Amino acid sequence: AQKVTQAQTEISVVEKEDVTLDCVYETRDTTYYLFWYKQPPSGELVFLIRRNSFDEQNEISGRYSWNFQKSTSSFNFTITASQVVDSAVYFCALGTGFQKLVFGTGTRLLVSP
Amino acid sequence: DADVTQTPRNRITKTGKRIMLECSQTKGHDRMYWYRQDPGLGLRLIYYSFDVKDINKGEISDGYSVSRQAQAKFSLSLESAIPNQTALYFCATSAGLSTDTQYFGPGTRLTVL
Repeated sequence: AQKVTQAQTEISVVEKEDVTLDCVYETRDTTYYLFWYKQPPSGELVFLIRRNSFDEQNEISGRYSWNFQKSTSSFNFTITASQVVDSAVYFCALGTGFQKLVFGTGTRLLVSP
Repeated sequence: DADVTQTPRNRITKTGKRIMLECSQTKGHDRMYWYRQDPGLGLRLIYYSFDVKDINKGEISDGYSVSRQAQAKFSLSLESAIPNQTALYFCATSAGLSTDTQYFGPGTRLTVL
């Protein structure tokens, strides 16, 4: 069975701090896909990144970076120099056959000024 | 204009009423999905459709039905709404490959009294 665990329910930081959101996944499939989505207070789900299981290269996009490690089944998300606009709920998701996504329960990030 | 739209955005209804949530997309994607989001539970898949003639149950389909009227339209119905169907409902779309990312609509907040 597929499973995604986001153990951090809520994280509070002060603006400009770095913060890492953890994601641990379980799957027996050898080919799979990992995603991060952002849900701001307005409620919509915004796609951030997709990573394929055969590509362990880390990625950086501005203040965002992602660390994918198959050895520990983790796909962690780091925000550098956090800003108030980063306040949101962040979801990690696992996609396997037939593109059905399994979501974690989300991590609420609160960035205060 | 948004690529994936959902109507209504908010709905309050009473127990036992029939209600339909609609989703339209202009992305030209073949695959469409319905999810519900409950606090602390992340998103769970209700139904998914790979094309107009292919509809499949997801993790939590009991109490729901769907209709794929066209490639661009996918509706979710609650035949007899009950209070525990109060949730945030999302429609999503993806292209025809298992590798493709799912893109979400803005969500419909449904309250069943």
